[in-house]
Amino acid sequence: DQQVKQNSPSLSVQEGRISILNCDYTNSMFDYFLWYKKYPAEGPTFLISISSIKDKNEDGRFTVFLNKSAKHLSLHIVPSQPGDSAVYFCAAVQTGTASKLTFGTGTRLQVTL
Amino acid sequence: DGGITQSPKYLFRKEGQNVTLSCEQNLNHDAMYWYRQDPGQGLRLIYYSQIVNDFQKGDIAEGYSVSREKKESFPLTVTSAQKNPTAFYLCASSTRRNEQFFGPGTRLTVL
Repeated sequence: DQQVKQNSPSLSVQEGRISILNCDYTNSMFDYFLWYKKYPAEGPTFLISISSIKDKNEDGRFTVFLNKSAKHLSLHIVPSQPGDSAVYFCAAVQTGTASKLTFGTGTRLQVTL
Repeated sequence: DGGITQSPKYLFRKEGQNVTLSCEQNLNHDAMYWYRQDPGQGLRLIYYSQIVNDFQKGDIAEGYSVSREKKESFPLTVTSAQKNPTAFYLCASSTRRNEQFFGPGTRLTVL
């Protein structure tokens, strides 16, 4: 049972435009959400997170939006840069559960020139 | 520099052999985790440890074993009982907050 879903396996965006990566979850006990970026043959690196008490969190070019009623979150990257080309994973956790993250299957973003 | 190291980066194993993957962190984090990643899939939790001398099974623990004798170290043994061990293995650690920090990974290939 996939509790965190990223339904788009890939996304291609032109440099300078907005990239929107989506993530849906089914477990209403999740109350903290994270986005990680991963290059091939490397470990994921933490990008940005959001608590369920917020609906938006911004850090530079990256903004995460959370819609609790829809159990949906999205990552916006503006403007997109070629170095953003990577696989992006969303993850969710129920705080107090040993920080056990549940990951989505990832979306491969390609930023073209 | 503080961080997480995993060794080796590439590992080849013959069928029927056990193999141990190393994970060391100098971040002074209490919790450590092992994940595996397969092509087209997300990260799946194998084992985790919240404190020294204590660890719990994750979602796919069968065929794996771990130990946590020191805060800095959380080695993973892939045993011959693991039916499909070829994968990319990732170690992570975290503080009491939810963000996990990952090592560079070990790619295990069974020949």
